[in-house]
Amino acid sequence: KAGVTQTPRYLIKTRGQQVTLSCSPISGHRSVSWYQQTPGQGLQFLFEYFSETQRNKGNFPGRFSGRQFSNSRSEMNVSTLELGDSALYLCASSPRTSPTGELFFGEGSRLTVL
Amino acid sequence: AQTVTQSQPEMSVQEAETVTLSCTYDTSESDYYLFWYKQPPSRQMILVIRQEAYKQQNATENRFSVNFQKAAKSFSLKISDSQLGDAAMYFCAYKGIQGAQKLVFGQGTRLTINP
Repeated sequence: KAGVTQTPRYLIKTRGQQVTLSCSPISGHRSVSWYQQTPGQGLQFLFEYFSETQRNKGNFPGRFSGRQFSNSRSEMNVSTLELGDSALYLCASSPRTSPTGELFFGEGSRLTVL
Repeated sequence: AQTVTQSQPEMSVQEAETVTLSCTYDTSESDYYLFWYKQPPSRQMILVIRQEAYKQQNATENRFSVNFQKAAKSFSLKISDSQLGDAAMYFCAYKGIQGAQKLVFGQGTRLTINP
């Protein structure tokens, strides 16, 4: 079974631009959640999507948004990029009603904002 | 809100020795999951071990075991017979039973294995 796939792996943008990151969950997983990882703030929850609806959102500005498609693939978008948005963005998938509670992670998308 | 604290930013251990990573958490919930995830330089978070709060028995996965103290809200990870491949960032994480698929992470502990 294929794992969680995130694209692109690396990208460089300049301030003010916008970026879209993609996440394909494990087959059969309908929940996708996103995390931002930075050296200063650590790992922080961005949002979760389930059945094409945002279920939960972390404490991030409205510049951070996402969506989920009918095949459970998810995208997140960051508009008007700031230097502080440079981070590793991790996507995780799960069946949502799992007896183990485990989330499965992708390898992440490394965003650098210049 | 739940919080997770890892008080050891870095740890090192000799190959084949045993090391314990500390984690404390705060929650008002009675049922939840606790996890240790490993993040090697390849960046992918890999589950090491998990514990359901309602289970009193400490979880064990081969060389990895936990000491779960629910009343003290403590969840330490013991790695026995450390191997070079164990070198990584280790994150302690909390997840509620109900609702959000949201992990609350500690700040991480960087583990170095000395040959």
